Amino acid sequence: EVQLVESGGGLVQPGGSLRLSCAASGFTFSSYWMSWVRQAPGKGPEWVANIKQDGREIYYVDSVKGRFTISRDNAKNSLYLQMNSLRAEDTAVYYCVRTEDSSSFDYWGLGALISVSS
Amino acid sequence: QSVLTQPPSVSAAPGQKVTISCSGSSSNIGSNYVSWYQNLPGTAPKLLIHENNKRPSRIPDRFSGSKSGTSATLGITGLQTGDEADYYCGTWDNSLGAYVFGTGTKVTVL
Repeated sequence: EVQLVESGGGLVQPGGSLRLSCAASGFTFSSYWMSWVRQAPGKGPEWVANIKQDGREIYYVDSVKGRFTISRDNAKNSLYLQMNSLRAEDTAVYYCVRTEDSSSFDYWGLGALISVSS
Repeated sequence: QSVLTQPPSVSAAPGQKVTISCSGSSSNIGSNYVSWYQNLPGTAPKLLIHENNKRPSRIPDRFSGSKSGTSATLGITGLQTGDEADYYCGTWDNSLGAYVFGTGTKVTVL
């Protein structure tokens, strides 16, 4: 059974930093693209970033470029999202998502809530 | 505002059929596969359709997808109360260099 478990969420002040982690199990992690997708309260999902199997191709939505860094450790079956210079508009539930051929999101974690507020 | 446009809402009686459109452009739907997701309140979105018209094995065949040019359509037949949710299309946009989701459609079972 595919499982994706996020951790590291919480409340942070504007301008602060957080690091999300995602522990993957039930599939060959190193064979898949992986993504972070977020959903702000009452809004639709928004793709944040994705990373290729070997970590050599990475893409970000414009609103997080230069502030967020996606990475992975295939030996640990883990995905990460380092978030710096956080803004109120980054407040959302962040989902770790297995990505099929970089074009569809087939398995989602339960999500981690990030609240950016003073 | 998203580059993929969906109707805000659709509705039908139990057992009936609804269709949801997703309109894009040559840089997104016209060039790439489309996926569809069901989003129940308080839960993560769930993949219903990928590669325009393929269903994961766990998704019933009441759900179907199609694509023509720069538009895509999700169909739901035999509508059930459990189908009440928000539905989103999604695809990669070559011009933006980003994955984009549609504006979302709320399905109501009357």
